[in-house]
Formats: sequence, structure tokens, C-alpha cells
Amino acid sequence: GENVEQHPSTLSVQEGDSAVIKCTYSDSASNYFPWYKQELGKRPQLIIDIRSNVGEKKDQRIAVTLNKTAKHFSLHITETQPEDSAVYFCAAREGNNRLAFGKGNQVVVIP
Amino acid sequence: GAGVSQSPSNKVTEKGKDVELRCDPISGHTALYWYRQRLGQGLEFLIYFQGNSAPDKSGLPSDRFSAERTGESVSTLTIQRTQQEDSAVYLCASSSSGTTPNEQFFGPGTRLTVL
Repeated sequence: GENVEQHPSTLSVQEGDSAVIKCTYSDSASNYFPWYKQELGKRPQLIIDIRSNVGEKKDQRIAVTLNKTAKHFSLHITETQPEDSAVYFCAAREGNNRLAFGKGNQVVVIP
Repeated sequence: GAGVSQSPSNKVTEKGKDVELRCDPISGHTALYWYRQRLGQGLEFLIYFQGNSAPDKSGLPSDRFSAERTGESVSTLTIQRTQQEDSAVYLCASSSSGTTPNEQFFGPGTRLTVL
């Protein structure tokens, strides 16, 4: 099955700086890559997603890039704010319609 | 509209007892998923229901775990003879279709503590 890995496990950034989280996946047939944000004690919520026919997608301060050849995709957060502090999970949709999640990245924005 | 709901929000049980966790998906969502999240860990897939198709049970960690879904509505996850390692937050998610990529909406989870 699909194997999704995230790096780094923890990322600290100064408020206003950019944060980048990278994920790799193993199954070249995967065609959908969402990112979920989970604040402490709360449920995961979708923040952005990308399909395999697109290389980049942007929504205000967040963007996702996809490199199908290298089988990796990244989340970019610009002008980070304290409310961006959370755990971010990437996922890849497997051929059987399941999502395989990475283990998560803890992002800490330092005011 | 109402989102995904789960009950109970917290459950404390003694080792060896059975527990039943409930999930009410968003109305009209044909796909329903159960995940387990241990403290500080990622989302571990357990089981997936899509419409009237046979469920994908490949993520269930042992035969103590089972789940049912009535049509395209409520689902229950049952853990028999609970063990301490079953302690985790159990998250349910639903989406409008399991066959095309769609957002999964998560419930608030049930925090299970096995003493």
C-alpha cells in the first residue's frame, strides 16, 4: 500500500517567516494529495488539496506544490502567524479510495 | 448544516470490557472512515465504508475490533476485551463520495482510556 512520510517532524519559525513541510509518497498511482491542519485538542481540518494533474495550487498564504516524477509534495505557509501553530498532516489517496496519512509535522510559530 | 458527530466524547473503561463508539456522518455522505490517533501520533486507518459495498477492513488491528454501518447513516465501532494499548482518540470522517477525491470531514473524536 501507499507509504507517506513527512519531514521535518517539528518545525519552529519566527512569526512572519515562511514554513515549508515536505511529504513523499510511494505509489505512483496516487492522484489526490490533501493537507490537514489539527490544532491542539481539535479535529483535523482540510486546508488545501491538489490533484495529480496540477503542479501547484495557492490559497492566500498557503500553497501546495506537487512533483509527480519525484513523488513528493510540499506545503508552503508564508507570513506565518501564531494561529498557524498546529500539527499538519499530509495524505495521499490510494487506489482503493483510502487516504494514507503521514505522521504529522508540529509547526510552532514564535511570536 | 450539521457536521460529523461522535459519541461519547470521552470513555473510560476497565481492561477487558467491551466498548461501542458511535459516528453520525454528514447527511448524504456515502463514504465513512474510522481512524485511531494515539497521543502525539498520526492518523491510523482502521476501516472504510462506501455505500453498499463491502467495507475495507484491512486497517483493523485485531479481531477484537469490528465496525458496522447502517445503510449510509450511523456507524458503530466496537472494541471487545479492551486492552491498555487501545487507549487513543478514535476519529470518524465522512465524505460525499469515496470513489472520487473529496474532502473528508472529521468528527470531534472519542477519547478512549482503558485503565
